[in-house]
Amino acid sequence: DADVTQTPRNRITKTGKRIMLECSQTKGHDRMYWYRQDPGLGLRLIYYSFDVKDINKGEISDGYSVSRQAQAKFSLSLESAIPNQTALYFCATSDATGIGQETQYFGPGTRLLVL
Amino acid sequence: KQEVTQIPAALSVPEGENLVLNCSFTDSAIYNLQWFRQDPGKGLTSLLLIQSSQREQTSGRLNASLDKSSGRSTLYIAASQPGDSATYLCAARAAGNKLTFGGGTRVLVKP
Repeated sequence: DADVTQTPRNRITKTGKRIMLECSQTKGHDRMYWYRQDPGLGLRLIYYSFDVKDINKGEISDGYSVSRQAQAKFSLSLESAIPNQTALYFCATSDATGIGQETQYFGPGTRLLVL
Repeated sequence: KQEVTQIPAALSVPEGENLVLNCSFTDSAIYNLQWFRQDPGKGLTSLLLIQSSQREQTSGRLNASLDKSSGRSTLYIAASQPGDSATYLCAARAAGNKLTFGGGTRVLVKP
């Protein structure tokens, strides 16, 4: 079984709809992240959480919100989807082994199309 | 603000040839630099992580070098194979313990 899972894997939605992307991990890591990837661009950080009570904005958080329901679960919501949120979304986890030592582990991604 | 660039965006080589992938970053105050592989429909897989105090890291046919002063890292893949075809991304970790990714280099190794 995969250590980091994302559901759904693919989603088509319409402008204005609210949708949620879910991420679960079995690695026992405290830290979780949401990124988006656009063609030809690197991954950009949307939100991150260092533990259940900690939520932080990344560089492109506008239009998104997150919920850390448990150590193993981190959900990303698009409150009112718009076409430029069409992208590939990745969840990642890491353990806090000290600055400079951290390695992130990625889920398989969710491909989102907003019409 | 850290910026990470990977050139070229795409690369095609015949099987057996050595691959050289480039990564440059603007802020040399990094904690480490990481190379990832991305396959279609799958997430990113970490290949190598070089600490800021290191000059290179090796794993099998892969070797990554780091030159902080010039803001460059290079990933070498020896004797390329068709299974090496993928997109390779580099990411720099700087202040705030966050990763900044390059746009990736899409590699095709032809049999």
